This record gives sequence, C-alpha cells and structure tokens, in this order.
Amino acid sequence: QITLKESGPTLVKPSQTLTLTCTISGFSLTTNGVGVGWIRQPPGKALEWLALIYWDDDKRYRPSLQTRLAIAKDTSKNQVVLTMTNMDPVDTAAYYCAHTGGSQSFFSFDYWGQGTLVTVSS
Amino acid sequence: QSVLTQPPTVSGAPGQRVTISCTGSSSDIGAGYPVHWYQKLPGTAPKLLIYGDSNRPSGVPDRFSGSKSGTSASLAITGLQAEDEADYYCQSCDGTLSGCVVFGGGTKLTVL
Repeated sequence: QITLKESGPTLVKPSQTLTLTCTISGFSLTTNGVGVGWIRQPPGKALEWLALIYWDDDKRYRPSLQTRLAIAKDTSKNQVVLTMTNMDPVDTAAYYCAHTGGSQSFFSFDYWGQGTLVTVSS
Repeated sequence: QSVLTQPPTVSGAPGQRVTISCTGSSSDIGAGYPVHWYQKLPGTAPKLLIYGDSNRPSGVPDRFSGSKSGTSASLAITGLQAEDEADYYCQSCDGTLSGCVVFGGGTKLTVL
C-alpha cells in the first residue's frame, strides 16, 4: 500500500525558508521510473506543480520558481524534502506530495499525501 | 495563467452526461504527451481519475472516461451523481518547459 505524508511548519514569516518533508511508504525511491512531486493549491486557486525528483536523482522545477526551490531525497529515511526560500504571503497554500510511477502510469500522480496547509504571515 | 485551458464551470442534472474540455497547444497535448484528470473535493487531496488520456485506475467508476484529439482532451461523466460535484483538473507535459508538468486551471462541476 503506497502512502505519502507531508510534514512541516504551518506558519512561516515572510522572507523565511520553508522546509517540507514527504515521508513515503509502500514503495522505494530507488525503483526505476519512480518519482515524487510537490504540488500546491493556494486558497481558491488552481493546482500548481512545483518540483519533481526521480529515482535516479533527476530533478525538475517549475520554471517561474526555480531559483527559490530545491528538492532532495533521502532513500535511507524514505523521505523527500522540498525547500522554498524567501517565502511571501502569496505562497500561502496547501502543499501536497505525490507519487508518480513513471512510464507505467504515463507519469501521472497516482498517489497523493493528505496535504499540509502553510500560511505565510508576519 | 495555466498552460492548459479549462472552462471555469460546468453543470448538469443528476443522471445527465457532462464533458469538461482541456485545451492545450502543439507543445503539450498536441505533441502527444499523455493527459491525466484529477478530481478535487474541498479539504481533500486530488484523486487520479484518468491517466494516459483514457485509462481508469482501479476503483474509478466507468462513468468517468477520457479522450484526446489534436491539441485538446476531454473528461466525460455519465449518469451524473451528487457526489460528483467537485473541481476537476487536467494535467499534461509541456515539452518546451524544463519542468514539463503543467496543470489546467480547473473546472468546478455543479450538480443541479
């Protein structure tokens, strides 16, 4: 059974760095084709893809946020960490991590974490 | 602004059929990249409904179907039920972007 769970602060101040952790189970980040992505949804707005890391450490970022984002995996801890620098109130959103099985699932996000709400406010 | 364009709202009566469109371009859907559809209920995580244009994951009712033609894709829901009221998002890949992953702006389905 594949599960993902996000953890991190619920409140960050403007200009601070956000660090979110996605703890996975039921699959391995060393399996060929597997990846974990981060997607967010600001209140009342659409889903917005942020970053993606694959089993071979290939990393992809949303172009408009690339300078602020970093994604990394720790296979020994079964975790994927997303950091976002220089947080702003417009970054207030529910943040989700999600599994992609690669070509097997046509690179869709087939399993999602429950999400974590992050508020940016002073 | 989303790369993939969806109608903001659609509606239908119980039992009816509705379709939600997702319009892209020659760099994403038109380039042959697969389209996926997600259902998003308030306060819950998105749920994969359709992957690879027209494939349903296990457990998704066959009332939901997907299709693709040219630079557009569609999600069809038949036998509309009250529980189908939700936001729906399409997703694909834009081959011109290093990150590739793109979502549509979402469509709110209202069951009348």
